[in-house]
Amino acid sequence: QITLKESGPTLVNPTQTLTLTCTFSAFSLSTSGVGVGWIRQPPGKALEWLALIYWDDDKRYSPSLKSRLSITKDTFKNQVVLTMTNMDPVDTATYYCAHSTYYLDAFDMWGQGTMVTVSS
Amino acid sequence: QAVLTQPSSLSASPGASASLTCTLRSGINVGAYRMYWYQQKPGSPPQYLLRYKSDSDKQQGSGVPSRFSGSKDASANAGILLISGIQSEDEADYYCMIWHNTASVFGGGTKLTVL
Repeated sequence: QITLKESGPTLVNPTQTLTLTCTFSAFSLSTSGVGVGWIRQPPGKALEWLALIYWDDDKRYSPSLKSRLSITKDTFKNQVVLTMTNMDPVDTATYYCAHSTYYLDAFDMWGQGTMVTVSS
Repeated sequence: QAVLTQPSSLSASPGASASLTCTLRSGINVGAYRMYWYQQKPGSPPQYLLRYKSDSDKQQGSGVPSRFSGSKDASANAGILLISGIQSEDEADYYCMIWHNTASVFGGGTKLTVL
């Protein structure tokens, strides 16, 4: 079955760049229609969509965070990487990656998430 | 004003039905959008429940019971998640989502308490 797992630092200093990796299995980002997205959730707060990349390298970003985000894929490694620049304490959150398809457009399978704290 | 607005909390009794609403900002017509619903229990990632645009354009998530269903209230410009025959295990946070201008937008979530 489809699985996704997020990895990256648990603690980041303010102003630093965060790099998160999503490693997945049982699907391929070389398959037409497939996508992987990133969503975050500050403690006790709502979900916030960040970015999405499709099999054809089409990329979408949250308008409010677009200047700070970059999403890339490594089809051979079955990985998607999200970078977020100029981290701030308000970016403290659990970061999830999730499977999507162009046709369903939902995030139908999610990783367990990784908690990132921004603090000096 | 937020794109999607959900009531922060709702309570329901076991066996009853509950309607969770997700209201779109004025100027954004609910009829034009597919609305997605997710359930999140404490300490767990969200789980996809269903997608609803119309009775002819809807999709149930894999393994999601049929007592979870979607609808719309055009007069209120809102999407609705209907949960019938509520069970204690349905106590969770519920989020709506749409794609608006090629960006995904989540509502603020509704905490459903089963009394």
